Amino acid sequence: DTGVSQDPRHKITKRGQNVTFRCDPISEHNRLYWYRQTLGQGPEFLTYFQNEAQLEKSRLLSDRFSAERPKGSFSTLEIQRTEQGDSAMYLCASSLPIRTSGRRNEQFFGPGTRLTVL
Amino acid sequence: AQKITQTQPGMFVQEKEAVTLDCTYDTSDQSYGLFWYKQPSSGEMIFLIYQGSYDEQNATEGRYSLNFQKARKSANLVISASQLGDSAMYFCAMREEDTGRRALTFGSGTRLQVQP
Repeated sequence: DTGVSQDPRHKITKRGQNVTFRCDPISEHNRLYWYRQTLGQGPEFLTYFQNEAQLEKSRLLSDRFSAERPKGSFSTLEIQRTEQGDSAMYLCASSLPIRTSGRRNEQFFGPGTRLTVL
Repeated sequence: AQKITQTQPGMFVQEKEAVTLDCTYDTSDQSYGLFWYKQPSSGEMIFLIYQGSYDEQNATEGRYSLNFQKARKSANLVISASQLGDSAMYFCAMREEDTGRRALTFGSGTRLQVQP
């Protein structure tokens, strides 16, 4: 399978603990996105990387959240001092360079990491 | 104001019939893209169709077509010849492009159930 992969698929943690999620994009994709989806809602944008540069950050990305993409390949999303309100599905997506995909430049999503904070 | 509004929380359709899922959007950008994604119970978001704000023709992808009415700021998804496998959540999304942003803004979704 050469799609976007995310690890772990499920994470249960206690309030106050730190958690880290990993995303591996499709290999030729230079753009990588993180979204959060709570139950019954559509995904909400968190942040976006082009290669290793973090180019967009949502106001949802509080100072407890940090994302990295050190070599322009995989990315990690860390949540420090988790709160019950952080319980959600965390989705990663990737897309081709625009010169390859054209203006459409659709995002391909991974299966998500479901976080439960007790 | 919500940027993407999907007013139908749930829809039912008979197998083999067509169904329209509504989406209205709000933006002041001149350049933007509209997307529809499908999310089955497995959770993975699947891209269905795209319409650019400057595209004059309505987009079509197989059984999916997008009824784009720019003046009314609507981008409804039409699924023809529904199949049982079409049962899923459907999300409309927008990418505002005037400033080069890449983020998608999603609506709250419509749950479609296809009945045999």
